[in-house]
Amino acid sequence: DIVMTQSPDSLAVSLGERATINCKSSQSVLYSSNNKHYLAWYQQKPGQPPKLLIYWASIRESGVPDRFTGSGSGTDFTLTISSLQAEDVAVYYCQQYYSTPYTFGQGTKLEIK
Amino acid sequence: QVQLQQSGPGLVKPSQTLSLTCAISGDSVSSTSTTWSWIRQSPSRGLEWLGNTYYRSHWYYDYAVSVKSRITLNPDTSKNQFSLQLNSVTPEDTAVYYCARRGNAFDLWGQGTMVTVSS
Repeated sequence: DIVMTQSPDSLAVSLGERATINCKSSQSVLYSSNNKHYLAWYQQKPGQPPKLLIYWASIRESGVPDRFTGSGSGTDFTLTISSLQAEDVAVYYCQQYYSTPYTFGQGTKLEIK
Repeated sequence: QVQLQQSGPGLVKPSQTLSLTCAISGDSVSSTSTTWSWIRQSPSRGLEWLGNTYYRSHWYYDYAVSVKSRITLNPDTSKNQFSLQLNSVTPEDTAVYYCARRGNAFDLWGQGTMVTVSS
């Protein structure tokens, strides 16, 4: 199984400041035939299912604000929120969908400082 | 508007079978460009993918090794839905269960069903 490891486990950032969450996969999630990284980022608020933010490591899902940016390659990926808003308080997960079993990181809890 | 609507009991007795259904609107369970999954979430195990089913001229099924001996996914084309059956449950199966569509990653989720395994 591909193990997904996020850092940090929790993060407190001031409103308007940048938040950065890291994700490392235990093996590459790059599919060479199409040159796509099978890596997604989700946001989850209490009592709600996860919401897809980013797929193919860097493609923003429709309707997701452009302050959310996904980057990275190989086994190291980053989710950046450029200017934190109050509504961004949530738990964030990375996930690989390169191979089954599809696996998630342990989550990063983002709070306001 | 595409959506997934989950149904099923929230309380199951140990050793019995957990059964949940995910009704699809705005898409087709027989779509050849998507797959349909069940995922659960608990404090101890986090988000755990359980299995998926998809149609590509015939039906395919993938299951997580952790539940492979106990799980069945059933697509129902007549009702445009898919179901989860998990046999011989224990308290460790207590979790919020989600159905989800994989288009571009898991882009659509059901509302979640809290299932408690207790006598």
